[in-house]
Amino acid sequence: NAGVTQTPKFQVLKTGQSMTLQCAQDMNHNSMYWYRQDPGMGLRLIYYSASEGTTDKGEVPNGYNVSRLNKREFSLRLESAAPSQTSVYFCASTPRTGIHREQYFGPGTRLTVT
Amino acid sequence: QQQVKQSPQSLIVQKGGISIINCAYENTAFDYFPWYQQFPGKGPALLIAIRPDVSEKKEGRFTISFNKSAKQFSLHIMDSQPGDSATYFCAASIGGSEKLVFGKGTKLTVNP
Repeated sequence: NAGVTQTPKFQVLKTGQSMTLQCAQDMNHNSMYWYRQDPGMGLRLIYYSASEGTTDKGEVPNGYNVSRLNKREFSLRLESAAPSQTSVYFCASTPRTGIHREQYFGPGTRLTVT
Repeated sequence: QQQVKQSPQSLIVQKGGISIINCAYENTAFDYFPWYQQFPGKGPALLIAIRPDVSEKKEGRFTISFNKSAKQFSLHIMDSQPGDSATYFCAASIGGSEKLVFGKGTKLTVNP
C-alpha cells in the first residue's frame, strides 16, 4: 500500500514548455486534490476532483488543467509554463465526499521554471 | 471570509518547552479545524483536529484549544522535542465542502 504517489520528484522547465504532473492513490479514495506550496503562502488549492469524471477549480487555477483519468489517477498539466509556476506541487486524496475526512498527501513535485 | 490567519511565522523553542501556534478565522460557517505537520522534503500529514462543539482536544503532547466566541484556535506542544521541528499548518473547512483553507504555516525549531 503505497498511499499517494507523485511523479516526477523534481523537474526543471524552460518558460513556455509544457508538462504533466502525475498523481496516483491506491487507497480507493473518492476525492483528489492538487495544491501548490510557496514560501510564506501556505498550501493553495489549484483544482480538486470529488469523484471520477468531475473536476472543480480551487483558489489558483489559472495556467493549469487537470484530468481525473480514473478513480486512482489525477494529473495536473501546465500547458505553457511560466516562472510564476515555480513551486512545490502536492497531490492529496480523501476517502469520502461531503464529509470531513483526513487528506493524505503525496511527497510532492519540486518544479522550477527558468 | 475564507481566510485563516496563522501566527507566528516562525518559532524557536528550547527542548522541554511549550510551543504555541495560533490561528484566527472570520467565517463562522467553518466547522472543522485540523492541524497538519510537515517535515522537510515531505508532504503534510494530519496531526490533530477539532470540531467547534468542544473547547479542547488532547492527543499525547499535542493539544488544540478552541475559542468559538473569539474565532480562534491554537496548537500547544508540551515538552517540545527536537523531533517536533517541522512546519505546522492550521486549516478549516465547512461541512459538506471538499475544500480545506490553510493558514500560511509556522516553522517550528526545537533546540536541543
